[in-house]
Amino acid sequence: AQSVSQHNHHVILSEAASLELGCNYSYGGTVNLFWYVQYPGQHLQLLLKYFSGDPLVKGIKGFEAEFIKSKFSFNLRKPSVQWSDTAEYFCAVNDGSNYQLIWGAGTKLIIKP
Amino acid sequence: NAGVTQTPKFQVLKTGQSMTLQCAQDMNHNSMYWYRQDPGMGLRLIYYSASEGTTDKGEVPNGYNVSRLNKREFSLRLESAAPSQTSVYFCASSVAGGGGVEQYFGPGTRLTVT
Repeated sequence: AQSVSQHNHHVILSEAASLELGCNYSYGGTVNLFWYVQYPGQHLQLLLKYFSGDPLVKGIKGFEAEFIKSKFSFNLRKPSVQWSDTAEYFCAVNDGSNYQLIWGAGTKLIIKP
Repeated sequence: NAGVTQTPKFQVLKTGQSMTLQCAQDMNHNSMYWYRQDPGMGLRLIYYSASEGTTDKGEVPNGYNVSRLNKREFSLRLESAAPSQTSVYFCASSVAGGGGVEQYFGPGTRLTVT
C-alpha cells in the first residue's frame, strides 16, 4: 500500500529563518503531489500542487516545493518564514489511478516572533 | 459563498448512540468526501461520492454510512458509535472526481465517543 511520510511532527523556528519540511512517498509510478495547510481556526486549504512539468512548484504566500522523482520526495520550502506561517502542513499523494489521496501525518510549525 | 459547511462543530456521544454529521457545499461541485483525522495520522478517506446518486467506500468505511442527498449535501451516519470512532471528521468537495483535483474542506467536526 502507498504511504506518505512527513519527517518532523513539530518544528519551531524564529521569524526570518528558512524552512524545509520533508515529504517522502512510497509509490513508484506517476504521482500527483499536494501540500495543504491548516492555519489556526481555519479550514484546510491547498498550498501548492504538482502534476507534471517543472519539478519546482510555486504556491501561495511564498512557498515552493521541489519534486525529486529519484528520491520519492516533495519537500516544502520557504526562504524566510513569518509569524503568520504558524500552521499545520500536510503532504498528500495520489497515484492517478483513482480518487484517493494518501496523506502524511502532518507537521505542526510554530514561528516565534 | 460559504464554501463547505459542516454541522455540528462538536459532539459527545455515548457508546451505542447514533448520529448524523451534515455537510453542504455551495460551489456546485460534483464530488464530495468524508475523512477522519486521528492524532499522529494523516487524513483517511471514509467514503466518497463522485456525483449525486453515487457513493464509494474509502480506506476506513466500517461503522459508517453515507447519503448523497443531492448535489449540495453529503451526510455521514454513525449507526452505533464506538470509542474507536472518536476523531475529527472533515468533509471536502471538488469540481470533479479523481485524485488530481484540488479538494475544498469544511471546518471539521470534533466527535468524542465515551
